[in-house]
Amino acid sequence: AQSVTQLGSHVSVSEGALVLLRCNYSSSVPPYLFWYVQYPNQGLQLLLKYTSAATLVKGINGFEAEFKKSETSFHLTKPSAHMSDAAEYFCAVTDRGSTLGRLYFGRGTQLTVWP
Amino acid sequence: KAGVTQTPRYLIKTRGQQVTLSCSPISGHRSVSWYQQTPGQGLQFLFEYFSETQRNKGNFPGRFSGRQFSNSRSEMNVSTLELGDSALYLCASSSSGSSYEQYFGPGTRLTVT
Repeated sequence: AQSVTQLGSHVSVSEGALVLLRCNYSSSVPPYLFWYVQYPNQGLQLLLKYTSAATLVKGINGFEAEFKKSETSFHLTKPSAHMSDAAEYFCAVTDRGSTLGRLYFGRGTQLTVWP
Repeated sequence: KAGVTQTPRYLIKTRGQQVTLSCSPISGHRSVSWYQQTPGQGLQFLFEYFSETQRNKGNFPGRFSGRQFSNSRSEMNVSTLELGDSALYLCASSSSGSSYEQYFGPGTRLTVT
């Protein structure tokens, strides 16, 4: 089974600072990777996805992530944090094979943005 | 297109009762997956339906069941509720058997007392 590790359950940054949320996956075959954001009392919103050879993926709200096969990582970044970015972020992975339709999630990283 | 809708949004039940949650996927989406989210266990996969067939199942007891109708709408049922079943239940849809990204509904908050 796949597993996803998100380093740091809480990350705090100042408004305007770089946001870096870390995600590592365990798979010998590159899976499909996703970042989702969850605001309080809401469902998950897809930020971006990696499903192809393009290793740098751009998503919504200025976020991007880089797939690094050698490091089995898919870290999420944003050059300049905004107050509205405060939320919980989840990294997820799915196999390309028989468990299609099943996402494996990390434990989430709560992002706090200070004014 | 309208997003994924889930009803009801909030539910309070008593231990031992049963509950049915409903999910309407995005129009044209044929795959529906269900997840349970709790502070202790995080996001856990329950099951996935595609064209009315359960295609994948997570590691949950048989009290948790689901089904999908011909219009792709899905329901999940939990029988003999336990306090530990209190959670946010999220439904997600995706467009086809070969599409991987899932779009989530707002969830149903179930509280078992």
